[in-house]
Amino acid sequence: EIVMTQSPATLSVSPGERVALSCRASQPVDTNLAWYQQKPGQAPRLLISTASTRATGVPARFSGSGSGTDFTLTISSLQSEDFAVYYCQHYRDWPPSWTFGHGTKVEIK
Amino acid sequence: EVQLVQSGAEVKKPGEFLKISCQGSGYSFTTHWIAWVRQMPGKGLEWMGIIYPADYETRYSPSFAGQVTISADKFINTAYLQWSRLKASDTAKYYCARHETISGVISGMDVWGQGTTVTVAS
Repeated sequence: EIVMTQSPATLSVSPGERVALSCRASQPVDTNLAWYQQKPGQAPRLLISTASTRATGVPARFSGSGSGTDFTLTISSLQSEDFAVYYCQHYRDWPPSWTFGHGTKVEIK
Repeated sequence: EVQLVQSGAEVKKPGEFLKISCQGSGYSFTTHWIAWVRQMPGKGLEWMGIIYPADYETRYSPSFAGQVTISADKFINTAYLQWSRLKASDTAKYYCARHETISGVISGMDVWGQGTTVTVAS
């Protein structure tokens, strides 16, 4: 089973700062990785797929990078609406696996 | 508008049967895999399994295989998640979500339902 480890668990940030969230896979996953944002009381929202492709409507301040085992979600200048929990997810068709990391909470400093 | 609309909140007792639903609209329901995702109170996201509505092929996470059943009815654009005997530990919010397929690979989930809260208590 592939395990996805996100760090840090919580990040305290001021608006306008640059943020880098880490996600590490326990074995290589190529670029089969997605990032999601979840705000309290809301469903998750897809931000990035294939490690670096922004989903439709996602602002350009969000970018994804990495391949293999190490991935990063970068928010270039944090806006007030970006305070949320961010999850990475590896995906694999067979054997079926769409494992989520435990999330990183980005909170106001 | 592409959307997934889920059935309403449920309050059940341990041992009871439950089937919740997720209806898609605004797109071709049979051409996208549908996933179910669990979120226990205050916790993270857990992928449970997926179904392809065109031929009803299902794939389960090992953590959920045998615990739940995923099904669909392509004629009414609806996917289902069911439990034959609920447990208190099934208390959670359950989301359905549509998978993208990129270059033939079932990838991220780009459309989400609003979630169905299931509470199991005696």
